[in-house]
Amino acid sequence: GIQVEQSPPDLILQEGANSTLRCNFSDSVNNLQWFHQNPWGQLINLFYIPSGTKQNGRLSATTVATERYSLLYISSSQTTDSGVYFCAVGSGGGADGLTFGKGTHLIIQP
Amino acid sequence: GAVVSQHPSWVICKSGTSVKIECRSLDFQATTMFWYRQFPKQSLMLMATSNEGSKATYEQGVEKDKFLINHASLTLSTLTVTSAHPEDSSFYICSAVRPSGTEAFFGQGTRLTVV
Repeated sequence: GIQVEQSPPDLILQEGANSTLRCNFSDSVNNLQWFHQNPWGQLINLFYIPSGTKQNGRLSATTVATERYSLLYISSSQTTDSGVYFCAVGSGGGADGLTFGKGTHLIIQP
Repeated sequence: GAVVSQHPSWVICKSGTSVKIECRSLDFQATTMFWYRQFPKQSLMLMATSNEGSKATYEQGVEKDKFLINHASLTLSTLTVTSAHPEDSSFYICSAVRPSGTEAFFGQGTRLTVV
């Protein structure tokens, strides 16, 4: 199956800093999503981005499908950005489940 | 985004009993839903694919007789953990995809503790 690697595994930043999270995947995909898991465990959809670039406020994401990686950018970090960020991929359209990376644990200190 | 609702949010049960978790798609019909499990400080692992009107398909290593899945309608899938044991304690979360869509939407998750 597809392998998904996220880096870094842990990241500690001061409030206001910018960060870049990376997701590498081992095969072609037709689904790539970024999630933020809140302290209660809920997965918040950040981006659906199998290719291209998207922006939503302080967050943006880029996927280069031909090179099999995706980047999540967080600018002007806030303490509420703390949590675990997951990248998940799929190759079978909506009929297949997702393969998740191990996540990046982000801590934003005030 | 689509709304997927999961119930209960948390449950504590005694060893040997069974627990049912519900996953509902509130604003669309989902012919396929997915069940994942997440152990503390680990990633999410796909357990099974729930297909409306047919048998679920399970990932390798997941016991189908322990984790019973029923997808009786286009908006509801249930996961029953049978004869639960402490090692089944975990966070269980479901997802669904809109018809003809690819983006997955997740329920709130259920934290199961078996004592």
